[in-house]
Amino acid sequence: AQSVTQLDSQVPVFEEAPVELRCNYSSSVSVYLFWYVQYPNQGLQLLLKYLSGSTLVKGINGFEAEFNKSQTSFHLRKPSVHISDTAEYFCAVSFGGTSYGKLTFGQGTILTVHP
Amino acid sequence: GAGVSQSPRYKVAKRGQDVALRCDPISGHVSLFWYQQALGQGPEFLTYFQNEAQLDKSGLPSDRFFAERPEGSVSTLKIQRTQQEDSAVYLCASSLARGPSGTDTQYFGPGTRLTVL
Repeated sequence: AQSVTQLDSQVPVFEEAPVELRCNYSSSVSVYLFWYVQYPNQGLQLLLKYLSGSTLVKGINGFEAEFNKSQTSFHLRKPSVHISDTAEYFCAVSFGGTSYGKLTFGQGTILTVHP
Repeated sequence: GAGVSQSPRYKVAKRGQDVALRCDPISGHVSLFWYQQALGQGPEFLTYFQNEAQLDKSGLPSDRFFAERPEGSVSTLKIQRTQQEDSAVYLCASSLARGPSGTDTQYFGPGTRLTVL
């Protein structure tokens, strides 16, 4: 079965500390991987995506993610967070080459950055 | 530039009423998706359009849900005889994608929050 799991529903962290948000997927076909951020009362905004090539992907706002095929993971990291990074983060996967790009999302991780 | 817009932003309906939710995609975007996001959950796929053709409606939860995109731009999601379990945020997304590859970025609208009383 094809699925996406975000292992942490909430992650509290202090400002300027590093953070990692975890995402694992299950698939028997090729995948494309995405991280989106959702601020309150706003739509989802793309942070970064992995399609092919280098497994380390850099995105906006200082975020990066690493694709690990053997562990079927795509964890999101930031070396030093800011208060403004407080939001909900979603990992999403597009499965296979004939899905027209429909996304399967994880349950979301609420990142709260404390001063 | 203009992003994806959705209207209304908020909709309250009494159980049994019909509702219509509108999505204006980014101009020139071929692909259009609808997702349903229940409280505390990630978005779930409902249906997909390539221009005016509805190529995938596998995620529509019942025959009370109907979507259309008659001219290949604006799309409407209609829910008939609304039930309390239909309460959710309905998200629309568009992309340039013209084929099945799945690599194009989807740009999301702000969503319509539907509350069924």
